[in-house]
Amino acid sequence: DAGVTQSPTHLIKTRGQHVTLRCSPISGHKSVSWYQQVLGQGPQFIFQYYEKEERGRGNFPDRFSARQFPNYSSELNVNALLLGDSALYLCASSLRAGATFFGPGTRLTVL
Amino acid sequence: ELKVEQNPLFLSMQEGKNYTIYCNYSTTSDRLYWYRQDPGKSLESLFVLLSNGAVKQEGRLMASLDTKARLSTLHITAAVHDLSATYFCAVEGTYKYIFGTGTRLKVLA
Repeated sequence: DAGVTQSPTHLIKTRGQHVTLRCSPISGHKSVSWYQQVLGQGPQFIFQYYEKEERGRGNFPDRFSARQFPNYSSELNVNALLLGDSALYLCASSLRAGATFFGPGTRLTVL
Repeated sequence: ELKVEQNPLFLSMQEGKNYTIYCNYSTTSDRLYWYRQDPGKSLESLFVLLSNGAVKQEGRLMASLDTKARLSTLHITAAVHDLSATYFCAVEGTYKYIFGTGTRLKVLA
C-alpha cells in the first residue's frame, strides 16, 4: 500500500514568491493535516482538513492557506514568502480517529 | 494551551547502556505518540499509547504512559548505534498533534 505522498521533494523560492505544496493521503484516509518543521524544532501544526472542510488552524498568518479536494488530496499555499518560511513541510493523513502517518515532506528553501 | 516538553534535549550515550527520555505535557490527554526522525527525513511512527498505564515495546525501545502524571517515557535498553536519531513525543489535541521539542540521541560505539 502506498503511504502518504508529497510533491515536490525540494523547492527553492525567493522572497515574495508564492508556493504550492501537494499531498495525497493514504487510500481510505479522509483527514489531511499540514505541519511546518523548522530546522532543529518539532513540527508545528498549520491546518487540518476532514471531508474537504477545515477543522483546525494553527497560529500561522493568513499568507498560509490550504484546501482539500474531493479525492481527499490537499494543497498548501504560501503567499509572499519570507526567509522564515524555510522549513520541512509535512503532510499527514489519518482515519477519523487513530494514528497519524506522515509523508516524506517537502523541503522549502526561501532565498 | 497544551504544551509538551521533553528532556533531555540532547543525549549522548555509549552502546550497551540504558537510558530514559521523558515527555511531560500540560493538560489532560489520553493519547500520546512517539516518533523517530532521521536527519533530513520524515517522521516514523514508533508507538501509539491510548490509555493510562499503556506500555508498548518494540526491540530495544519501550514506551509507557501515565495520564495522571501527564508523563510518558521512552526507555532505551542496551543502546546500539542504529538508534541514533531524534525522538519526538506528540500529544493529541483538538484536531492536531502538539509535538515536544525532540530529543537528539547519539549512540557512541
